[in-house]
Formats: sequence, C-alpha cells, structure tokens
Amino acid sequence: DQQVKQNSPSLSVQEGRISILNCDYTNSMFDYFLWYKKYPAEGPTFLISISSIKDKNEDGRFTVFLNKSAKHLSLHIVPSQPGDSAVYFCAARGSFGNEKLTFGTGTRLTIIP
Amino acid sequence: EAGVAQSPRYKIIEKRQSVAFWCNPISGHATLYWYQQILGQGPKLLIQFQNNGVVDDSQLPKDRFSAERLKGVDSTLKIQPAKLEDSAVYLCASSLESSRYYEQYFGPGTRLTVT
Repeated sequence: DQQVKQNSPSLSVQEGRISILNCDYTNSMFDYFLWYKKYPAEGPTFLISISSIKDKNEDGRFTVFLNKSAKHLSLHIVPSQPGDSAVYFCAARGSFGNEKLTFGTGTRLTIIP
Repeated sequence: EAGVAQSPRYKIIEKRQSVAFWCNPISGHATLYWYQQILGQGPKLLIQFQNNGVVDDSQLPKDRFSAERLKGVDSTLKIQPAKLEDSAVYLCASSLESSRYYEQYFGPGTRLTVT
C-alpha cells in the first residue's frame, strides 16, 4: 500500500525556468509534509516542509503548495539552477502516535544548462 | 559539526551470509533511525531508537534483522541470514529529539548487494 506517490520518475527543465515536482498521498491522517533532496552517494537532506493546516510555504527559490482536498502537494523551484539536479523525495508524517515518515519513490530532476 | 557516519559504504555478500552495518550519529542526537532504500523506492523506516530504547520497529523483519544502540550513541544493524531481496541502501539518520522529525540528518548510506 503506497501511501505517498510521486508519479513522475524523472523531469528535465531548462536552467532559469520553473521546476514543478508533484506528490500525491492517500492517508488523510498525515499532518506534515516534507521534501528531501538527494545527490548521488549522499544521504537525503531536508529541503522544506509544510503543515497540513497551511496551503503554502516559501523558502527562497523553493515553494511548497498543499491541496488537502485533492491530497496533493507540489514543490516549485524558481529559477531552476544546475545545482538543483538531484532526486527529490516527498515525505509525509503520520499523526500523533504514528509519527514515522513515509517517503515517496522520488523524482529525478535534471536541469539543462 | 561532523555529520552522521556510516560504515562500510559498500558490501557484497552471498545469500545466507550475515552482515553488519555501523552508524555513528551526530553528537548529542538522541534519536536514531535506520532506513532501507530499495532501488527505485523511497526510504522505508526499519527501526527508530530514542536514546537506547526502541520507539518503533514495526517494519523490521525481526526473523533476520536485528539492531541495537548500546549506550545511546552508536548503533549496529545486522542481517542474518541475508536474502537476495535485502539488496538495498541502508541509511542511518539522527535527530535531536523525535518530535523534530524534519530535522533528520542522514548519513551517506551502506549499499548492500546480496548475490
């Protein structure tokens, strides 16, 4: 049962343009959502998060949008830079008593110079 | 600040053999996590420690996997005997306290290949 889904395994975007990575979830009990970025041969690093009571969170070039009714979140990166090329994982935290993170399968983002 | 250390970085074993992975978390981090990441999938939590006590091991295959965190610092994850489907990257992560779930700092992982 895959509760967090990233349906696009890969995405290519021109440098300077906007990158949009999508994530869908099925469990309405998730109360926090996170994006992690992973470079080859390194562990994931935390990028940005959003609480389920909000619909937008912005941090510099990164913005996460949450649509609870659609159980969908997206990560916008603008403008995209070559250093953004990495695998991006969406993760969701369960509510009190089951707070482990559930990760999606990841989207490989390639920024084309 | 030193990051999460893991060793070895790579390991190749035959099925039915045993293997152990080691993790040294960031100094002062009370919570330690072991994840399994199979190729093409996201990390899956195997076990979570708070100091030297187990908080969650619901997804740990206890018939073959074991983990310990003696003295609440370093941790080892063992597989005995290994199966082909155990081929994966094993990630260790740590955080200051379990409530700060987003501040999980991951190590580089150990890539295990079972032949």
